[in-house]
Amino acid sequence: QKEVEQDPGPLSVPEGAIVSLNCTYSNSAFQYFMWYRQYSRKGPELLMYTYSSGNKEDGRFTAQVDKSSKYISLFIRDSQPSDSATYLCAMENTGGFKTIFGAGTRLFVKA
Amino acid sequence: NAGVTQTPKFQVLKTGQSMTLQCAQDMNHNSMYWYRQDPGMGLRLIYYSASEGTTDKGEVPNGYNVSRLNKREFSLRLESAAPSQTSVYFCASLDEANYGYTFGSGTRLTVV
Repeated sequence: QKEVEQDPGPLSVPEGAIVSLNCTYSNSAFQYFMWYRQYSRKGPELLMYTYSSGNKEDGRFTAQVDKSSKYISLFIRDSQPSDSATYLCAMENTGGFKTIFGAGTRLFVKA
Repeated sequence: NAGVTQTPKFQVLKTGQSMTLQCAQDMNHNSMYWYRQDPGMGLRLIYYSASEGTTDKGEVPNGYNVSRLNKREFSLRLESAAPSQTSVYFCASLDEANYGYTFGSGTRLTVV
């Protein structure tokens, strides 16, 4: 079993839809949770990071962590075609050096 | 623009050939990393350097060596390339203030 599981998709939604992307994990020691966005043939870029449980909002993006269920989510409101990318979850327990990445979910937002 | 610069962007090697992937960052970050990305596998850590002068193995170090030349530069060497090393390689540095990596644009390596 992988430490971090992420549905690879692809997920296809119409413009303006609310998108929900999710990851589950097995290591209860994870404390830091990140979401990265990766456009085709580019490196991943950090979208959001949260520490421990709770919600964090940044514009159209909301990250949610439920440590009791070992489940994290990224919500995208009012999705745009420019949001079409692969979204990677990532997590770690030491604050650096040993980050575990999910395999990524491919998202397509249709105009 | 500030960031992580990787060279080359593309490379084709024959089995048994050697090469070095170069990486440099200009953000004054202490930690630098080499990852490989394969379909369905996500990003896997090859080696990392927590600070200038130190390097450590990651999840998949076999067949690779690294050198932290100075604070800015961290290179990855394949001594004898194998088809299993066909992958996209990313260099990254860590912003310790927000636990966020800054990644380079990647090197697409094919070993035939």
